[in-house]
Amino acid sequence: DAGVTQSPTHLIKTRGQQVTLRCSPKSGHDTVSWYQQALGQGPQFIFQYYEEEERQRGNFPDRFSGHQFPNYSSELNVNALLLGDSALYLCASSLQQRSYEQYFGPGTRLTVT
Amino acid sequence: RKEVEQDPGPFNVPEGATVAFNCTYSNSASQSFFWYRQDCRKEPKLLMSVYSSGNEDGRFTAQLNRASQYISLLIRDSKLSDSATYLCVVKERDNFNKFYFGSGTKLNVKP
Repeated sequence: DAGVTQSPTHLIKTRGQQVTLRCSPKSGHDTVSWYQQALGQGPQFIFQYYEEEERQRGNFPDRFSGHQFPNYSSELNVNALLLGDSALYLCASSLQQRSYEQYFGPGTRLTVT
Repeated sequence: RKEVEQDPGPFNVPEGATVAFNCTYSNSASQSFFWYRQDCRKEPKLLMSVYSSGNEDGRFTAQLNRASQYISLLIRDSKLSDSATYLCVVKERDNFNKFYFGSGTKLNVKP
């Protein structure tokens, strides 16, 4: 049973560029949430996707957008990258009816220079 | 004010010690509570849910005090492998799919 997978594992971008991060949920899960974790901080909720729609959103600007595909996998896009976007980006999957049981992927470490 | 606040530590304890972490949350409408564990440079993993009546899982005991908006985690007989960052997590009633994480409390268990 494959767990949550994310790609790439590491990424280096320069300010102003755009980035796309990918997530495949745990087998059987239909809901994907994205989090940003800065160094020394806890994960901060970005948004959640269910049935290919954004259902909830945290306090992140519109530069952060996402998508969910029919196979439940998801992408996180960040435009006009800032130095402050450097962080670990975590994807968590769950079943909508059991949303309290989240499973996290290993994350993508994004460095913006 | 942050939704969830934790003492960052680190807590440095010898093997076999008992250690307790606390966490406070700001929204009285919060519905669900959890402790996650995060090892260095790894993803968070659910340690245990926290129920109103308190709950225990082996050496770990979690308590919730709704009146004081306070959650605790007690670890008995600490093992070297317990060294990690412990994240307090709260889910609010109206945002049933949005989880708020604390910044974590770091625990170092020494031989």
